[in-house]
Formats: sequence, C-alpha cells, structure tokens
Amino acid sequence: DTGVSQDPRHKITKRGQNVTFRCDPISEHNRLYWYRQTLGQGPEFLTYFQNEAQLEKSRLLSDRFSAERPKGSFSTLEIQRTEQGDSAMYLCASSPLAYNEQFFGPGTRLTVL
Amino acid sequence: GEDVEQSLFLSVREGDSSVINCTYTDSSSTYLYWYKQEPGAGLQLLTYIFSNMDMKQDQRLTVLLNKKDKHLSLRIADTQTGDSAIYFCAAGGGATNKLIFGTGTLLAVQP
Repeated sequence: DTGVSQDPRHKITKRGQNVTFRCDPISEHNRLYWYRQTLGQGPEFLTYFQNEAQLEKSRLLSDRFSAERPKGSFSTLEIQRTEQGDSAMYLCASSPLAYNEQFFGPGTRLTVL
Repeated sequence: GEDVEQSLFLSVREGDSSVINCTYTDSSSTYLYWYKQEPGAGLQLLTYIFSNMDMKQDQRLTVLLNKKDKHLSLRIADTQTGDSAIYFCAAGGGATNKLIFGTGTLLAVQP
C-alpha cells in the first residue's frame, strides 16, 4: 500500500499525559499537512510542511502542540498535557509540490479521559 | 476568514441523481474539492476543479462551479447504496494550498 499511513490508529490517554502521532506521507510528496476533525465537523487545518520546513501554523495549534518533519519524510505531531478538548481525529495529508491533490491518511483517533 | 457551507443531509433513492451543494466566501480560492468520508475511514478525494473552469465530469460525477455566486455542486448520477457517506466540499489556494472544509453533507441512499 503506497498511500498515506498514520500510527497509531487509536489512542486513549488520561488528561495531562503527552501523546505523539506519526504520519508517513506518500513517497516523494513534498507537502505534508495536519488537520483535526471533531465529531460532526469538517477537518480543520493545523499546520503545513514543505519538505522539512514548517511554513504555516493555525491559531488552533496552541503551545501544547508541536509538529516536526525532520528529514522531509515522515512527520510527528505531539500534544503535551492533553485536555479533554483535544479528543478528535487527527488527519495527515500529503501532496506533490507541483500538483494540488491532497491525499489523506486514515487518521489517528484520540480520546482523552 | 474563508467560510465554506453545505447543507447537512440529503436522502435519495437508489438509481436517482444526487446533487450536493456548497458555497464559499473567498473569491481567491483557486481549487475547489470534493471528498468522501465513509464511517470510521479517512477522506477519499473524489474530484477537484480549478477556479477558471465551469464544469468537470468524471464518470458518474459532475462538478459545476458558479464563480460569480461562489457556488459549487457535485452531481452523482445513478446513485448507489455504496455512495452513502459524508461528502465534504473544500476550498484551497495560496502558497500552501491549505484546505478549508465545509461541515459535510450526509448522503443517505435508500434501496
């Protein structure tokens, strides 16, 4: 399968714990996006990488959130001191630089108890 | 900021055509997308249209864009039960092409 993959698919954690999610984009896709989707809503943009550079962050991305893409391939999204309001589906998408199609992974569903 | 709106629910009978509508506010949106999401699954890109086009057809799917009214529609011909899902409209553009999504339209196909 050469699509976007995300790990883990599900994560249950207690409030106050740190969590980290991983995204492996489609090979050679320069662009990588993170979105968050809550129940009954459309996905909301969180952050964008072009290769290893993080070029845009949403106001939704509080100081507790950090994302990296150290070698321009996979990316990680870390949430520190999780809160119940962080419960959502976290989606990763990738795209070639020269094209405008964004391909989404299956998402990581986070539940904060 | 950009806002994208969709009706929440559409019910059709199998074999009929479905039309899902979307409006957006940012006239500088360059690309407009339709995604499908089935329960528990990620987003599947169905099609997209460049803002200087009026129409795009891809098998059973027809996208119509009225740029003056900032209105986008997705027509699904011969709707099947497997088409039951949530359909999201999204607008993109700019240097990053980040997508702004609508709240989604739940399409229910009755046998």
